[in-house]
Amino acid sequence: KQEVTQIPAALSVPEGENLVLNCSFTDSAIYNLQWFRQDPGKGLTSLLLIQSSQREQTSGRLNASLDKSSGRSTLYIAASQPGDSATYLCASFSSNTGKLIFGQGTTLQVKP
Amino acid sequence: EAQVTQNPRYLITVTGKKLTVTCSQNMNHEYMSWYRQDPGLGLRQIYYSMNVEVTDKGDVPEGYKVSRKEKRNFPLILESPSPNQTSLYFCASTTSNEQFFGPGTRLTVL
Repeated sequence: KQEVTQIPAALSVPEGENLVLNCSFTDSAIYNLQWFRQDPGKGLTSLLLIQSSQREQTSGRLNASLDKSSGRSTLYIAASQPGDSATYLCASFSSNTGKLIFGQGTTLQVKP
Repeated sequence: EAQVTQNPRYLITVTGKKLTVTCSQNMNHEYMSWYRQDPGLGLRQIYYSMNVEVTDKGDVPEGYKVSRKEKRNFPLILESPSPNQTSLYFCASTTSNEQFFGPGTRLTVL
């Protein structure tokens, strides 16, 4: 059974810190991996998508990496701001099943 | 503007009263799906559809039905809702690469 695990479940940092969120997946036939942001009670906003053939993607202060061989992805947030406080979800999309499997998320709090 | 819309956004109902949550996308995507999100369980797929008139069960299909009569719409039907279906529901529309999510429907079944 495909699984996606995110560690840590919660993280609190002071403003300005660089931080890394971790995601591991078991699907060996991953098609792509996507990182989402979710604010409390809101929908999901796509942040970055990495195709299985890619190693990383960058958008502003965000950088996501993908290592298929080890089944890991990281989301790097540079110079964190209070507005970055949210839950971050990673999800692997399988080329075998056509399913998107989500991790349970990391809830980030950036303190001013 | 590319978007996925869901209605209603909030719904409180009683056990056994049939309800439908609508989902519509304007991106001409073939693949659409429904998820529910529960504390401690994350997002789980209920049903998905790879094209018109093609639907299949996700991981938690019990108690739900869907239909896909046209490409843009993918309604979620609860024939006889029960309290354990109280949850936050998301519809998603997918290209070959990326998923676009609706704003969510918060359902409470009393």
